[in-house]
Amino acid sequence: GDKVKQSPSALSLQEGTNSALRCNFSIAATTVQWFLQNPRGSLMNLFYLVPGTKENGRLKSAFDSKESYSTLHIRDAQLEDSGTYFCAAEANYAQGLTFGLGTRVSVFP
Amino acid sequence: ETAVFQTPNYHVTQVGNEVSFNCKQTLGHDTMYWYKQDSKKLLKIMFSYNNKQLIVNETVPRRFSPQSSDKAHLNLRIKSVEPEDSAVYLCASSRQANTEVFFGKGTRLTVV
Repeated sequence: GDKVKQSPSALSLQEGTNSALRCNFSIAATTVQWFLQNPRGSLMNLFYLVPGTKENGRLKSAFDSKESYSTLHIRDAQLEDSGTYFCAAEANYAQGLTFGLGTRVSVFP
Repeated sequence: ETAVFQTPNYHVTQVGNEVSFNCKQTLGHDTMYWYKQDSKKLLKIMFSYNNKQLIVNETVPRRFSPQSSDKAHLNLRIKSVEPEDSAVYLCASSRQANTEVFFGKGTRLTVV
């Protein structure tokens, strides 16, 4: 978790609201992935990013390699958005993904 | 839709036993990985393997070893398990290094 710092560590959201998660990198990240881990432990792919921005439904993610950070925006939060969000970065020396500690998101009615 | 398949889902064993976990990917990827997720949910890479190169995380104890019969399979063997090996082991694959990584559902190991 030192090389990839996620914030906040936990988030409680009311249904219908918006929020943002952030990752700061102290490695030379070239690509970033965001995952959602459900209570059963499965990691669902949300985004794979080279520097730039992607959007998928109510989720939007950005990766700025020069400033070494990535963000994940959740718009109009739904109950099914609950889970732990992980960001992970890979550097050019191909040692696999380095993960943050995750942000635990709870969406309530 | 799962394309990285792991067996078993769960395994309970005693200290000192040998265990082996299986992983198969049907994505046609060239690179496979093993990650360990500890009780604090931290995910750490253990091995990265393609048909040319095995990269081992230097923190992985020697009792762990990957075993591959072909590029679609990468099993994980633990020679003599210890209590701190209790964790979830996640297998993953990608087309090549620095491309999108896809994970299996994990194998939860409990060492008693």
